[in-house]
Amino acid sequence: GQSLEQPSEVTAVEGAIVQINCTYQTSGFYGLSWYQQHDGGAPTFLSYNALDGLEETGRFSSFLSRSDSYGYLLLQELQMKDSASYFCAGAYTGGFKTIFGAGTRLFVKA
Amino acid sequence: GAGVSQTPSNKVTEKGKYVELRCDPISGHTALYWYRQSLGQGPEFLIYFQGTGAADDSGLPNDRFFAVRPEGSVSTLKIQRTERGDSAVYLCASSLVAESYNEQFFGPGTRLTVL
Repeated sequence: GQSLEQPSEVTAVEGAIVQINCTYQTSGFYGLSWYQQHDGGAPTFLSYNALDGLEETGRFSSFLSRSDSYGYLLLQELQMKDSASYFCAGAYTGGFKTIFGAGTRLFVKA
Repeated sequence: GAGVSQTPSNKVTEKGKYVELRCDPISGHTALYWYRQSLGQGPEFLIYFQGTGAADDSGLPNDRFFAVRPEGSVSTLKIQRTERGDSAVYLCASSLVAESYNEQFFGPGTRLTVL
């Protein structure tokens, strides 16, 4: 099958660092993306990992380990506006089909 | 430039009716995806188009759901004999190239409510 697992909720303090983990099923897996979605809004793309290792984009970094079927999103210098849902999404079946996890709701406290 | 647009933004219909949901992708984007999202869940893949053809429709839940993209741009998702379980936000996304691991740009969605 093709499914991704991530924690349902994470709470952190403004200015801190938070890591959101994602595990995935490997059959037909091509790569891992991350999306952010604010309440009532559309998902917006954050990053993509095709190869093992860390990809850094400003305050956000994403990591992939194919041997462990695992990835994570790292958010640094948390701001209140980072409160949102974060989805990991696996590219499968030739890279065309995107399967999303159920999402991790991040609460940033002052 | 303009992003992905979807119409209508809201659609309320009665059980058993037929509905059409429209998606206008970003100009020049060859890949188009339909998802549906229920409250508290991630987007659920329905179908992917590369140009005019449906390259992967394995996510369509049953034969009541059908989607077209006749000219390789605008796409319409069609749902026949709607059921209350079809109520969700239907999202459309487009990307510049075929591979789904490239950035997908999402529209605002159509909230479908089946009474």
